[in-house]
Formats: sequence, C-alpha cells, structure tokens
Amino acid sequence: EVQLVESGGGLVQPGGSLRLSCAASGFTFSSYWMSWIRQAPGRGLEWVANIKEDGSDKYYVDSVKGRFIISRDNAKNSLSLQMNSLRAEDTAVYYCARDALATNRVMDNWGQGTLVTVSS
Amino acid sequence: DIQMTQSPSSVSASVGDRVTLTCRASQGISSWLTWYQQKPGKAPKLLIYEASTLQSGVPSRFSGSGSGTDFTLTISSLQPEDFATYYCQQANSFPRTFGPGTKVDIK
Repeated sequence: EVQLVESGGGLVQPGGSLRLSCAASGFTFSSYWMSWIRQAPGRGLEWVANIKEDGSDKYYVDSVKGRFIISRDNAKNSLSLQMNSLRAEDTAVYYCARDALATNRVMDNWGQGTLVTVSS
Repeated sequence: DIQMTQSPSSVSASVGDRVTLTCRASQGISSWLTWYQQKPGKAPKLLIYEASTLQSGVPSRFSGSGSGTDFTLTISSLQPEDFATYYCQQANSFPRTFGPGTKVDIK
C-alpha cells in the first residue's frame, strides 16, 4: 500500500524558514516523480513544485521560486521542501504527492497534509 | 501560465441525478486534463486523467471527456459518497494549474 506521510508543519513568523518532509513507503520511491501541492484555508489547490526521479530536474510555481527548494533522498525514501522567506500567503496545508509511473503529469497518491501557518 | 476555470462553482443535486461539471483552459492543452475529488478535511483523490481515462478503482459512473480547451466530468447517477468538491488540473505545461473547484452538495 502506498503511504505518504508529511511532517514538519507548524507556526512560523513572516520571514522565517521551515522544512517539510514526506516519508514514502509501499512503492519504489526512486522510480517516481514527486510533487508538493498546497491549499490555503478554505481555498483551492495550488501546485507548488515537483522533482524528477533522480532529482536532476525540478519545477516550481513562480510565487515560490527563489524561496522554496524541493529535494529528495532516494536512499531514505524521503521528499523535502525547504521553505525560506515565508509570507502570510504561504499559509496552507501542504500535501506531498506521487506522480504516476513514467509521467510527471498525474498525481495518483497523496499524503494527508501538514499545516503551515505564517503569522506573527 | 494556463488559467483554468470551472463551472458552476457549486451545484445542488439529489442522489440518482446526472451531474455534469465543466472545466475550461485558457489555451489548448490537448488531453492533458486531470480531475480530482476532495472531501472536507481529506486529501484529493485522483478520478480521471488524460481527460477521459478512469483511474483504477474509481466507479464507472464517473466519466470525462473533452480536448483542447473544453472538458467535462459527468457523474451518471450521483451517490451519497460523491458529495465533494471537484477540481480540474492541466498537465500540459508548467506550472501545473488547478481550477477553482466545483462543490457538489445535497439538494
């Protein structure tokens, strides 16, 4: 069974940093693109970033470019999102998701999410 | 970036109704359109990808169609567990973008 478990969320002040992690199990992690998607309270979904199987290719939404870094550790079956210079508008539930095999176009399994609150 | 719109923003329907939701892309995306279902407090669930391919395990009452800029998701006979918010997402180019969602609730 595919399992994705996010952690690392919490309350942080504007301008601060936070690192989210996603522990993957139940599949060959190194064979899949992985993504982060967020959802502000009461709002819709926003794709944030994704990363290729070997970490050699990464894409970001413009609003986080230069502030967020997606990375992965295939030996530890772990996905990360380093978030710097956080803003109030980054407040959201952050989901990690697995992209379907051999594609980066479809997110077929999602974690339960971790809440990030940016506030003073 | 490709903008996605969905209509209606909400719909009230009864069990057994046929429901059709619409998604439109600001430019052509071929068939790179995905539909997700989200229930309150839960993660989204993949329903349909490449506009019309049903994800394994998803009931056959769900179907998708369209290409280019206009897409539909149809629920042929609404069941109690289908009351949720439905999002479309384009997978043609980066950044991936979602529509604002359509909430299906009980009439």
